[in-house]
Amino acid sequence: ETGVTQTPRHLVMGMTNKKSLKCEQHLGHNAMYWYKQSAKKPLELMFVYNFKEQTENNSVPSRFSPECPNSSHLFLHLHTLQPEDSALYLCASSQDPGTSGTRIGTQYFGPGTRLLVL
Amino acid sequence: AQSVTQPDIHITVSEGASLELRCNYSYGATPYLFWYVQSPGQGLQLLLKYFSGDTLVQGIKGFEAEFKRSQSSFNLRKPSVHWSDAAEYFCAVGFPNYGGSQGNLIFGKGTKLSVKP
Repeated sequence: ETGVTQTPRHLVMGMTNKKSLKCEQHLGHNAMYWYKQSAKKPLELMFVYNFKEQTENNSVPSRFSPECPNSSHLFLHLHTLQPEDSALYLCASSQDPGTSGTRIGTQYFGPGTRLLVL
Repeated sequence: AQSVTQPDIHITVSEGASLELRCNYSYGATPYLFWYVQSPGQGLQLLLKYFSGDTLVQGIKGFEAEFKRSQSSFNLRKPSVHWSDAAEYFCAVGFPNYGGSQGNLIFGKGTKLSVKP
């Protein structure tokens, strides 16, 4: 596998279900991201992990719970979701230049998980 | 507040015609600029990026973009569009946080490109 992979690609779940989305990056990066892409809305950053530490949580409801066990894997645990949570969930990774420079890392995206909440 | 604007929601061009997609940003300094493309049901693929230096940037698939500081713009261009270029295009702007934390991206709402045969 190369790049950023996401599983499953499609998921249908009821509002009382618990499911998890998985992301894996094969690029040797140290930062990983979850984004939500809904119809007619800009891409929304949800969570950022840098060196496995969560550095950003953009006021995401607690029914979304991220987990980053190592710098290559990122999970998004879902429970008691609402129909408005139906969207494409994208994972991305980048190499954080750290304190050595002023540049930011280029983000590379996975194919996404299309989630439908019934 | 920082923002990114893609004024055109949907553009249709004929195959072989030239293309320009607009992107404007609002920020007090020069940000880092990106263009991504998304085909239906797929993730975002990086087309090109600008960090510094030459303001005309070449990307993949024959695309280029020009950074114009005076206009706060980073428009994407292609001289001759192919049917396979039909997709949605996103401009993104990065505002690095000095001191080490990862600079995050702000995305425009996207421009959907349709190509007529």
